[in-house]
Amino acid sequence: AQSVTQPDIHITVSEGASLELRCNYSYGATPYLFWYVQSPGQGLQLLLKYFSGDTLVQGIKGFEAEFKRSQSSFNLRKPSVHWSDAAEYFCAVASNNNDMRFGAGTRLTVKP
Amino acid sequence: SQTIHQWPATLVQPVGSPLSLECTVEGTSNPNLYWYRQAAGRGLQLLFYSVGIGQISSEVPQNLSASRPQDRQFILSSKKLLLSDSGFYLCASLAGSVQFFGPGTRLTVL
Repeated sequence: AQSVTQPDIHITVSEGASLELRCNYSYGATPYLFWYVQSPGQGLQLLLKYFSGDTLVQGIKGFEAEFKRSQSSFNLRKPSVHWSDAAEYFCAVASNNNDMRFGAGTRLTVKP
Repeated sequence: SQTIHQWPATLVQPVGSPLSLECTVEGTSNPNLYWYRQAAGRGLQLLFYSVGIGQISSEVPQNLSASRPQDRQFILSSKKLLLSDSGFYLCASLAGSVQFFGPGTRLTVL
C-alpha cells in the first residue's frame, strides 16, 4: 500500500529565508503527487501537483517542488518565505482518483 | 471552477447525539466526492467516497455513514456520536484528477 512520510513535524524559518519541506512516498509505480497548504481552521488549498513530464513543477505563491524518482521524494521549496506562508503543509500521493494518502503534515512558523 | 460548501462551520454535540454534516458542490456535475476527517495534529483520513448518486464506498469501519441523495450533495451522518468523533471534517470534490476541498466543519463531541 502506498504511504507518505513528512519527516518534519514543525519547521521554523526567518522571513526572507529559503524553505524546503520534505516528502517521501512509498509506492510501486509513479503516483500522482500533490502539495496542499492549510491555514488554521480552513480547508486545504492545492499548491502544486505532479502527474508526469518535467520533474520540477511550479505552483502558486512562488512554491515549487521536484520529483526525484530515485529518492522517492517530492520536496517543496520556496526561495524566500513570507510571513503569510505560515501554515500547515501536506504532501499527498494518489495511485488513482479514489485513493489519495496524506502525510501527517509539517507546520511552518515564520519568524519576523 | 467548482465551489464546495460545507455546513455547519462549527458544531458542538453531546456524546450519543446524532450528526448530520452537509457538503454541496457548485460548478460541476457528477463529481467524485470525498469525506475526510482530520484529528488534531494529524493528517487526513479518508472516510467515504462516492462516484455517483447512491454510491458510497467506506474506507474505515466506524459509527459514521454517508449518503449521496443528489448529484452534488454529500452527507455525513451518525446515529450516536462518540468522543472519538471529534475532529475537523473536510469534503472534497474531484476535478481533473485533483481533489479540491471545502472549508471544513469543526466538530467537538463533549
